[in-house]
Amino acid sequence: NAGVMQNPRHLVRRRGQEARLRCSPMKGHSHVYWYRQLPEEGLKFMVYLQKENIIDESGMPKERFSAEFPKEGPSILRIQQVVRGDSAAYFCASSERTGDLNYGYTFGSGTRLTVV
Amino acid sequence: GESVGLHLPTLSVQEGDNSIINCAYSNSASDYFIWYKQESGKGPQFIIDIRSNMDKRQGQRVTVLLNKTVKHLSLQIAATQPGDSAVYFCAERNQAGTALIFGKGTTLSVSS
Repeated sequence: NAGVMQNPRHLVRRRGQEARLRCSPMKGHSHVYWYRQLPEEGLKFMVYLQKENIIDESGMPKERFSAEFPKEGPSILRIQQVVRGDSAAYFCASSERTGDLNYGYTFGSGTRLTVV
Repeated sequence: GESVGLHLPTLSVQEGDNSIINCAYSNSASDYFIWYKQESGKGPQFIIDIRSNMDKRQGQRVTVLLNKTVKHLSLQIAATQPGDSAVYFCAERNQAGTALIFGKGTTLSVSS
């Protein structure tokens, strides 16, 4: 049973380009959460999605960032017109049920975005 | 507002010693806490959790203590091993119950 799969593992973008980060949840999990980790910092919650629905986007920057979790396929975190400050590790977690925050809440290995 | 933090950014111990990693939180209404271990290049890995109606919980070689009076929790690792070297984060559930709020982390270094 594969865990949470994120790709790419590393992504380099020039300022102004778009970044697309993908997350495939664990089998049987229909809840996806995105977090951002700046260097030397803890993870910061961005957005919580279920299939075709955004449940909580209270941590998402107001501009340039968007997320989706379509009926088929992985969840996508999209960053438009990237800036150097977007350089960070982006982690996805998934769970089977809402509010399932214990050992059933599984993180992927992250995508490390570098903006040059 | 909601926030958690850790007392020390780094902790160095000898193999076989017991390690204690501390965390302070600010929201007295927080009801659920988790400790995570993050190794270099990997995502956070669940270690142990505790609910606010408990003050102690034990796992394999790890113990979490919760002091609600001073809003403090700690992670104790017995007989620390080189494989325990990692960054440790405490986290609390947000008010909506939908996500986690992480502290900044303590880097544990274990020397042989």
